[in-house]
Amino acid sequence: SQQGEEDPQALSIQEGENATMNCSYKTSINNLQWYRQNSGRGLVHLILIRSNEREKHSGRLRVTLDTSKKSSSLLITASRAADTASYFCATDGAGGTSYGKLTFGQGTILTVHP
Amino acid sequence: NAGVTQTPKFQVLKTGQSMTLQCAQDMNHEYMSWYRQDPGMGLRLIHYSVGAGITDQGEVPNGYNVSRSTTEDFPLRLLSAAPSQTSVYFCASNPANSYNEQFFGPGTRLTVL
Repeated sequence: SQQGEEDPQALSIQEGENATMNCSYKTSINNLQWYRQNSGRGLVHLILIRSNEREKHSGRLRVTLDTSKKSSSLLITASRAADTASYFCATDGAGGTSYGKLTFGQGTILTVHP
Repeated sequence: NAGVTQTPKFQVLKTGQSMTLQCAQDMNHEYMSWYRQDPGMGLRLIHYSVGAGITDQGEVPNGYNVSRSTTEDFPLRLLSAAPSQTSVYFCASNPANSYNEQFFGPGTRLTVL
């Protein structure tokens, strides 16, 4: 079953605007990760936030995690046309080593118009 | 490093045919996984391996077999293809001493007629 629910399913913005995507999950986690997928390509890891962290930054990316609400958000600031892609959250379950098994959300399709 | 490679890129099968999707990685990662991606459903785990000779089932294992004879290779076998297995298949790997950030291959687009 899908662990993560993402919203919105699709997001369309203009270059320079910020894009925010949300992810909710159901069970306890060790960490939560965000991946990007360009059309027809494999997924690329963007950023990871551990369960004991609340916020993390990487370049134009900002991720927050609220374990009490079982939710995370990904903010892309000053978006560019090259940011057009699908974005997925993935959770690594708690309770010991998950042996590389991740549970993915359904993804948000981001379109950035020049 | 080539990273994670997958072959073929595209494949069309008829119902009932069998085939093997190949996956190889040159990063010496212990863990490898197979996912399928269907429209609107994200990625779902099919099988995974924690090392040579060790495999286990994921969320949707029915109709697929795997083996791991070497650290580098993790082939996925479709025993008797069905239209429901039409999907995009991704192989991924990651080192054991990590937070499970995964490295993905480019995918194989499979159509079963």
